[in-house]
Amino acid sequence: DSGVTQTPKHLITATGQRVTLRCSPRSGDLSVYWYQQSLDQGLQFLIQYYNGEERAKGNILERFSAQQFPDLHSELNLSSLELGDSALYFCASSLTGDGFGELFFGEGSRLTVL
Amino acid sequence: AQSVTQLGSHVSVSEGALVLLRCNYSSSVPPYLFWYVQYPNQGLQLLLKYTTGATLVKGINGFEAEFKKSETSFHLTKPSAHMSDAAEYFCAVSDRRGGGSQGNLIFGKGTKLSVKP
Repeated sequence: DSGVTQTPKHLITATGQRVTLRCSPRSGDLSVYWYQQSLDQGLQFLIQYYNGEERAKGNILERFSAQQFPDLHSELNLSSLELGDSALYFCASSLTGDGFGELFFGEGSRLTVL
Repeated sequence: AQSVTQLGSHVSVSEGALVLLRCNYSSSVPPYLFWYVQYPNQGLQLLLKYTTGATLVKGINGFEAEFKKSETSFHLTKPSAHMSDAAEYFCAVSDRRGGGSQGNLIFGKGTKLSVKP
């Protein structure tokens, strides 16, 4: 158990819809990362937050947005969903967010868009 | 920009045989390198990392990796495979735009390891 909690574990929705994925980081960790894992693209970095502020941005689509709240949990919002958005979405957390330390991954949220 | 290439999407070994998973990186600054393992239906877990210092890094479950700057490689090895090693393995480099670290990791495509009895 990494200590990172993601909900929901599975989500099935239709094209055009909007979903929210939630992540609670490991106790004490200030940085949260979102990754998308798909068969064709592999693990793609989406976005990183550190103590409530956006720190780094990767290949995140404009239809996607995220935030980190004062209690350090984070949400990833996916809107106008397309079939290609079907993937496993991972949240990870780390203490410092500086790249030296270990990232602790949750078990992921599997999104299926029909 | 940093990038990672893992040679071989699937590797199959017999139980007790040597495990060698290959990883090459591209980085314009000294890299921070990582190997993560993903068991079925689970998140990724850190096996080992290299930041500075000794180039041979030992990790959990008997795995080790050697940073070779001249070859831009960070191959993962284990002398004797066990059935429980069957999983997907990811090599990663820390995103170091501008020389500093952004904190996020850039992952390779992964190598799925099968272990035959």
